[in-house]
Amino acid sequence: SYELTQPPSVSVSPGQTARITCSGDALPKQYAYWYQQKPGQAPVLVIYKDSERPSGIPERFSGSSSGTTVTLTISGVQAEDEADYYCQSADSSGTHVVFGGGTKLTVL
Amino acid sequence: QITLKESGPTLVKPTQTLTLTCTFSGFSLSTSGVGVGWIRQPPGKALEWLALIYWDDDKRYSPSLKSRLIITKDTSKNQVVLTMTNMDPVDTATYYCAHAITAWSPPQFDYWGQGTLVTVSS
Repeated sequence: SYELTQPPSVSVSPGQTARITCSGDALPKQYAYWYQQKPGQAPVLVIYKDSERPSGIPERFSGSSSGTTVTLTISGVQAEDEADYYCQSADSSGTHVVFGGGTKLTVL
Repeated sequence: QITLKESGPTLVKPTQTLTLTCTFSGFSLSTSGVGVGWIRQPPGKALEWLALIYWDDDKRYSPSLKSRLIITKDTSKNQVVLTMTNMDPVDTATYYCAHAITAWSPPQFDYWGQGTLVTVSS
């Protein structure tokens, strides 16, 4: 079955830039989305269609795509950004939704 | 304002069938480009997509769970129901329903319910 691969963890100091990657063979064909999930809360969409930001999401969140890898970038990381981040896309046919394994962002 | 809320049993026994209901407001599941999905998350683990129903009653299922899942909608009641058969302790998880935009591929989940924890134990 199709998989999206994320690093288990990323650590950055406040004010630095965090980059979280997500790799998958179908990513050149399918949009990717990013969700932020804080403990005990439901996920929140922070990036859609690879690089679009929903209203209400801070500008420090951005997304990009290159080949089989998409990247979530958080510029000027703040303590409140500490959370788990999940990418989501679909297989090459678009039939089946897939989530990545998640990345725990730690703000040192 | 779009809201969704999951309801159902908090405890089920192994081999039993789980029935979860997602009751939503702020949108209609008869509107083109709209869907409702179910996603689950075992304690301390990653999100896992389960199923999705589209405005036109098209349905999609996770390949690994397809034989155990049924998703239906009742547009008049603004509800989506997920049925999962033959429950096992590994199915213990928080189950979420979410509003999906299906106008492009893949669908995006832009509004989520609070989730409901289902424990499978004898």
